Order: sequence, then structure tokens, then C-alpha cells
Amino acid sequence: TQLLEQSPQFLSIQEGENLTVYCNSSSVFSSLQWYRQEPGEGPVLLVTVVTGGEVKKLKRLTFQFGDARKDSSLHITAAQPGDTGLYLCAGLSGGGADGLTFGKGTHLIIQP
Amino acid sequence: EPEVTQTPSHQVTQMGQEVILRCVPISNHLYFYWYRQILGQKVEFLVSFYNNEISEKSEIFDDQFSVERPDGSNFTLKIRSTKLEDSAMYFCASSELAGGIGETQYFGPGTRLLVL
Repeated sequence: TQLLEQSPQFLSIQEGENLTVYCNSSSVFSSLQWYRQEPGEGPVLLVTVVTGGEVKKLKRLTFQFGDARKDSSLHITAAQPGDTGLYLCAGLSGGGADGLTFGKGTHLIIQP
Repeated sequence: EPEVTQTPSHQVTQMGQEVILRCVPISNHLYFYWYRQILGQKVEFLVSFYNNEISEKSEIFDDQFSVERPDGSNFTLKIRSTKLEDSAMYFCASSELAGGIGETQYFGPGTRLLVL
């Protein structure tokens, strides 16, 4: 059974600070996706990383896929209250129509 | 921008009744998925579907569940004889391909199922 461990589970910081959340596994993934989920809604895709060592930027968000494709991180620069939400990482282990393995998520609160 | 849609948004049913949850995947996508999320827990994979047949399924997807693509646009999840523990958000997702960047799965808004 593949597991994705996300840390921290909860994070509350002040507006303007930087933060990093982590997604770790002992398994190798063919790709890893980051989603943001609002209460009562479906996960909304932020980014997909597929190559070991890959770095992708989405405005103030920087996503990195580990060289061995077992872990990933999300770094937010100058966090804003609008960044508040639940951030989920989810990995695919191989080809075909595999189901995503989700982490439990990081609940992020940015205080003004 | 194309998106996955799901109906109904909410469904309340009595224990033992059958429910059908409906999804319209993104039109050029070939792979379809169902997930569920019990309140306060993580999203769990149920089943994937490709070329009109089940491709992968999890331990959760037992004989109580079935999936179907009844026409060229809809993708359904049927739960026979619902149980209290089936209460959850059910998400449909679709992807274009099964490798590389194309395996990105896009999720619908979900159906909240409550079994009484």
C-alpha cells in the first residue's frame, strides 16, 4: 500500500511570511499532482510534476518534485489571506488508469 | 475552460436504497475515475474506467458498486443497497491520457451522499 505523508498537517502564519509544505513517500511515483480543496468542493488542480528534480512556478507558489520522484514540496512566498485553504498532494504510481494516492492534506491559514 | 460536472450535488437516501451518481467527464478525455471522501478523511480511489471497462479498482469497490458509461458523455456510479457508511462526498475525475503530463486528473465538484 502506497502512502503519502504530508507535513505539517496544520499551519497558521502571518500574511507576508514564507512557508513550505512537504509531501513524502517511500514509493516512487510517475507523477505527482498538487490540488487545493475548499470545504464541500472538489480538489482543484494547481500543478502536475512528472520529472525528477522538476521545479514549477505558479505566481508565488513553487513546486518541486524530488530527484527520486518519491517526494515533493510546495513553497509559498509572501503568503496572502487568499492562500488559506487545504492543500493536497496526490501521486500516480505508474501507467494505465491508476487511481491517485492522496495525502491527508495541509490545512493552511494565513492571518492578515 | 472544460470541466467535469456532476449531478446531483446532494443526495439523501434511506439505507438499503439504490443510488446513481452521474458525471460528465471532460469531452476529449479517455480515462474516468470515481473517488470518495468520508467527512474529515482523505480522498480515496474507488475505480477507474477506460475503453468501456473497469481498468483498476480498490478494495472499497466491492460488489455493491458498479460503473457504466451509458452513452458518449455520461459516466455513472451505482451503489446498490446503500449502507450508513456509504455517506461521503463522491468525486468523479477524468484524464486525457495514462502517462506523462496527460495523466493529470481533473475533478468534478462532487456529490454529497447522505444515507439515513
